[in-house]
Amino acid sequence: GAGVSQSPSNKVTEKGKDVELRCDPISGHTALYWYRQSLGQGLEFLIYFQGNSAPDKSGLPSDRFSAERTGGSVSTLTIQRTQQEDSAVYLCASSFQGRQETQYFGPGTRLLVL
Amino acid sequence: GENVEQHPSTLSVQEGDSAVIKCTYSDSASNYFPWYKQELGKRPQLIIDIRSNVGEKKDQRIAVTLNKTAKHFSLHITETQPEDSAVYFCAASPAGGGNKLTFGTGTQLKVEL
Repeated sequence: GAGVSQSPSNKVTEKGKDVELRCDPISGHTALYWYRQSLGQGLEFLIYFQGNSAPDKSGLPSDRFSAERTGGSVSTLTIQRTQQEDSAVYLCASSFQGRQETQYFGPGTRLLVL
Repeated sequence: GENVEQHPSTLSVQEGDSAVIKCTYSDSASNYFPWYKQELGKRPQLIIDIRSNVGEKKDQRIAVTLNKTAKHFSLHITETQPEDSAVYFCAASPAGGGNKLTFGTGTQLKVEL
């Protein structure tokens, strides 16, 4: 079946602009995660959704970052007033129930803030 | 919160040799430890995982060991092949945490012919 998909695959924006990144999880997966991967670094947790609610937002680096999930499916990560340090690959993952099971990752959105 | 350290950051082996990557974690509540492989420009993919009720797990040429007392776990790849070249990430997750993963910083494995 279809895997996790993300759009856009690449995004170049100017400092100060807002961006929206989209994630389509695997159908039937109730848990959805956003991670950020900076160049040469590991994956940094941002936020976790169970259904449409976000019980763990502890990884969001500032109030410029927000995310929502609607219909228990698609999620959008929004970064307002982008800064150069926001440049990274933003990865979305989904898992069946949010228990200790495999997380399946999307291909990521490569964000470059000029 | 959880902190995961991973060593080495780079590892070069000859084809056919074994490779070992080690990780330590800080939160004794963590009990799920997956390993992900990420090829250049690709998404991370799970290769093996272990839970704290198990000390070792094998899948063909890959094995993972866990020492819960010492809070460390290791990935072992035997008979390495060029296609094993990639970045490997370890991660840890506590029970009841929604499976939030804390990742190590990765190991760049290069298998040379």
